[in-house]
Amino acid sequence: VQLLESGGGLVQPGGSLRVSCAVSGFSFSAYAMSWVRQAPGRGLEWVSTIFASGDYTNYAASVRGRFTISKDISKNTLFLQMDSLRVEDTAVYYCVRYVRESANYYHDFWGQGTLVSVSS
Amino acid sequence: DIQLTQSPSFLSASVGDRVTITCRATQDIHRYLAWYQQKPGGAPNLLISAASTLQSGVPSRFSGSGSGTEFTLTVSRLQPEDFATYYCQQFKSFPLSFGGGTKVEIK
Repeated sequence: VQLLESGGGLVQPGGSLRVSCAVSGFSFSAYAMSWVRQAPGRGLEWVSTIFASGDYTNYAASVRGRFTISKDISKNTLFLQMDSLRVEDTAVYYCVRYVRESANYYHDFWGQGTLVSVSS
Repeated sequence: DIQLTQSPSFLSASVGDRVTITCRATQDIHRYLAWYQQKPGGAPNLLISAASTLQSGVPSRFSGSGSGTEFTLTVSRLQPEDFATYYCQQFKSFPLSFGGGTKVEIK
């Protein structure tokens, strides 16, 4: 299993950025996926999840209405479109596989992360 | 929304010590809880799911227990490679949430 994020970088407040996560080693269409972020020196914060079917998504209140999670099964790629970016969105963004097995749910495989910096 | 509170937030211990970290939820999350280890500069690593299921490849000195609103992660004999930050996460309902983390440092 490999998860490889890309697309991070420096953006001004109010700007947009799309980060991607190329996955391999498992059936991408069969798993839910999440984005989790970590601001510099801070703890982990769940951002968003998309279910395997792609028809159900959920967002943290801090990003709802500004961020959009999506997936392209044909390209084995997960996306996070980030609009109206704020300084407080500065963080390493991790792509994570989300396993949902009967009563056992967890994030098992994590990418190496991509840094998004929002600053003027 | 479900909040998770970890304690302590910082722990100083010696190699060979037994350490216990607690994670408390603001409402019943049954056993929908996972524990992760994160080392500086690295991504989190899943240790335990469903409150007590040890993941493949994780040393048996790690164990988890609890249900409902109170959970614990125990390291029976701390090894040098165990000095890291530990997080709990609940999967009972969205928004998914993490505890604030417990940093385990060498005494």
